[in-house]
Amino acid sequence: AQSVAQPEDQVNVAEGNPLTVKCTYSVSGNPYLFWYVQYPNRGLQFLLKYITGDNLVKGSYGFEAEFNKSQTSFHLKKPSALVSDSALYFCAVYGQNFVFGPGTRLSVLP
Amino acid sequence: DVKVTQSSRYLVKRTGEKVFLECVQDMDHENMFWYRQDPGLGLRLIYFSYDVKMKEKGDIPEGYSVSREKKERFSLILESASTNQTSMYLCASSLDRSLAYGYTFGSGTRLTVV
Repeated sequence: AQSVAQPEDQVNVAEGNPLTVKCTYSVSGNPYLFWYVQYPNRGLQFLLKYITGDNLVKGSYGFEAEFNKSQTSFHLKKPSALVSDSALYFCAVYGQNFVFGPGTRLSVLP
Repeated sequence: DVKVTQSSRYLVKRTGEKVFLECVQDMDHENMFWYRQDPGLGLRLIYFSYDVKMKEKGDIPEGYSVSREKKERFSLILESASTNQTSMYLCASSLDRSLAYGYTFGSGTRLTVV
């Protein structure tokens, strides 16, 4: 069975510091991996995806994610956090079907 | 840009009412989905559809049904609303089944059942 874990409910980071939001997955076969962001009272917005190719994927708003097959991880990163990055972040995997993680709330403090 | 429009942002309904949540997409996507989002549980798939008149149960279909009479419109129906169906409901669409392009989501409908 497929699953996605986001081990941190909440991540706090100071503005200007690098941020990491963690995601690990379990799926048979080669996964499609996604990150979505949700701002308050809004739907989910696509950030980036890994299908195949380079393990470092660049996405919207300066975010990037690194696919690590041996650790079955797909952590979201940004070199310098902005207050406007504060939101709820979802990792998702598609193997046989689409499964979302529980979400991680990112708070960037000024 | 693809647009997925959910007709209501907020709804308050009474227990036992029949509730319709409407979703329309404007880019001729084949696939449409309904999720509910609850804190700590992420998104859970209720129903999905790969074609007009076609529907498939997701992970939590109990208490819900769907209708897809036209390609662009996918409706979620709560036959008899209950308080445990209070949630944020998200509609999504995708271009094809490969999901190489991911999903496009609507803004969500926050339903409160009292």
